[in-house]
Amino acid sequence: TQLLEQSPQFLSIQEGENLTVYCNSSSVFSSLQWYRQEPGEGPVLLVTVVTGGEVKKLKRLTFQFGDARKDSSLHITAAQPGDTGLYLCAGGALRGAQKLVFGQGTRLTINP
Amino acid sequence: NAGVTQTPKFQVLKTGQSMTLQCAQDMNHEYMSWYRQDPGMGLRLIHYSVGAGITDQGEVPNGYNVSRSTTEDFPLRLLSAAPSQTSVYFCASSYSWGTAGNTIYFGEGSWLTVV
Repeated sequence: TQLLEQSPQFLSIQEGENLTVYCNSSSVFSSLQWYRQEPGEGPVLLVTVVTGGEVKKLKRLTFQFGDARKDSSLHITAAQPGDTGLYLCAGGALRGAQKLVFGQGTRLTINP
Repeated sequence: NAGVTQTPKFQVLKTGQSMTLQCAQDMNHEYMSWYRQDPGMGLRLIHYSVGAGITDQGEVPNGYNVSRSTTEDFPLRLLSAAPSQTSVYFCASSYSWGTAGNTIYFGEGSWLTVV
């Protein structure tokens, strides 16, 4: 069974600080997605990374896929209260890609 | 645009009761799936379907049943509810499967409590 471990599980920082969330596995994934989930809503896709070493930027958010496609990171620069939420990584397996595997999530709180 | 619609939003069941969570999508997506979300465990796949008439088990299928008679609908049935099935359930759909180049759309969730 493929597993994705996210760290930290909880993170509370002040507005303007930088942060990094990690998503690690011992397994190789065909691609990896990052989602953000607000309370009372379903996850919303932020980005998909496919190639080992790939870096994608979404305004103040930077996503990186590890060279070996076993890990990924999400870096937020100058965090704002609007960034508060649950961040989830999800990997597509090499075989049976329809069976998406999710990490347990990182609950991020940005304090004004 | 409706997207993925789940009903009911909230439900309380007694142990042993059965019920069906409804899911409908209006995007003509082939791939639909059901997840449950529990604290500290992320989302876990219950069942999925790659098209009408085709379903398969995910990571945690026990106690749940699905069918896919139309492209639009993918109901999840709890056969005999147990307290361990207390969770938030999400239905999702996408044009294809996998993650590469594929956007997966989630419903707003169904909060189920089994007492």
